[in-house]
Amino acid sequence: ELKVEQNPLFLSMQEGKNYTIYCNYSTTSDRLYWYRQDPGKSLESLFVLLSNGAVKQEGRLMASLDTKARLSTLHITAAVHDLSATYFCAVDIYSGGGADGLTFGKGTHLIIQP
Amino acid sequence: NAGVTQTPKFRVLKTGQSMTLLCAQDMNHEYMYWYRQDPGMGLRLIHYSVGEGTTAKGEVPDGYNVSRLKKQNFLLGLESAAPSQTSVYFCASRTYEQYFGPGTRLTVT
Repeated sequence: ELKVEQNPLFLSMQEGKNYTIYCNYSTTSDRLYWYRQDPGKSLESLFVLLSNGAVKQEGRLMASLDTKARLSTLHITAAVHDLSATYFCAVDIYSGGGADGLTFGKGTHLIIQP
Repeated sequence: NAGVTQTPKFRVLKTGQSMTLLCAQDMNHEYMYWYRQDPGMGLRLIHYSVGEGTTAKGEVPDGYNVSRLKKQNFLLGLESAAPSQTSVYFCASRTYEQYFGPGTRLTVT
């Protein structure tokens, strides 16, 4: 059974600081996804990481994937209040067929204070 | 191009009542999914479909049924609602990444 663990689950930080959210998963997979969710809203796709060593950046967010370590990181640079949200990582489930859905971490609730 | 839409957006049911949630996508995707999200949890997969006429169970299928009679639609049914099914339900369809609908907030009293 695939398990996905995120840490921390809750993070309060000040504007201008840097921080990293970690996502570990338990079985082999080469597809990892990061999503953002605002309160009462749906999930917004941030990054799709499709191979070992993949690194993607968008604004103040950068995500990376190490499939050997089964680890992805989401790094926040010089945080701003608008980045306050819940961030989820998710990994594809495979059962020998096609893509059978995603297994999600519990999410990291990020609050950025002025 | 509306993407993924869900109907209804909100619903309150009494224990034992039944209802159907509708998911529609206009992107011609083969794969469609139903997830539920509970407080403090990530999304959990209920059922999914890899094409018209096919369905399969996910992580938490008990108490739900699904049908995929048309490629663009994926229905989630609750035959006898229970308070434990109070949740936010998200539908998704995919190519290599998943596109999520806006969600349905269901309360069972």
